[in-house]
Amino acid sequence: KAGVTQTPRYLIKTRGQQVTLSCSPISGHRSVSWYQQTPGQGLQFLFEYFSETQRNKGNFPGRFSGRQFSNSRSEMNVSTLELGDSALYLCASSPAWGGLYNEQFFGPGTRLTVL
Amino acid sequence: DQQVKQNSPSLSVQEGRISILNCDYTNSMFDYFLWYKKYPAEGPTFLISISSIKDKNEDGRFTVFLNKSAKHLSLHIVPSQPGDSAVYFCAASAPDDKIIFGKGTRLHILP
Repeated sequence: KAGVTQTPRYLIKTRGQQVTLSCSPISGHRSVSWYQQTPGQGLQFLFEYFSETQRNKGNFPGRFSGRQFSNSRSEMNVSTLELGDSALYLCASSPAWGGLYNEQFFGPGTRLTVL
Repeated sequence: DQQVKQNSPSLSVQEGRISILNCDYTNSMFDYFLWYKKYPAEGPTFLISISSIKDKNEDGRFTVFLNKSAKHLSLHIVPSQPGDSAVYFCAASAPDDKIIFGKGTRLHILP
């Protein structure tokens, strides 16, 4: 089975721009979660989608949004980028929702740099 | 407020010895705990988990211990191998399904 894929792998943007990151889960997985990883804060949960519905959301401002498509692929959007948004964004998939209680499979991440 | 704390940013252990990684939590509502391992340039991979109704779970060289009264869990790796060198994240989830990760501990296995 192919693993979780994320595109692009690297991205450089400037402050004020917006960005869209993409995640394709493992085939058959319906839950997709997004995480932000920074050296200072570690891994922080952004949101979880299951069957095109956002099931849970972490403590991030409304500039961070996401969606999930009928094929379970997910996108994450960050608008009005700030320098502090520079991070590794990880996507994880799981067969069922409550992916948090199940083993999650992580993608390699998208490294976003905001200049 | 950091609900899941890994107080040791790094740990060095001799190959063949036991590695013990620690994790403390503050939220008594957490009922499920997981450990992930992360190599550079890769996403974290699931290692082992434990439900709050248990105090120990073992999988090969990896054992997780949970002490609910102390709100503490630990991951034991025996014996430690060079491929165990990685960053280890402790994670906890509560019935509201939010998952909280620790900041990670970098484990170095010395030859």
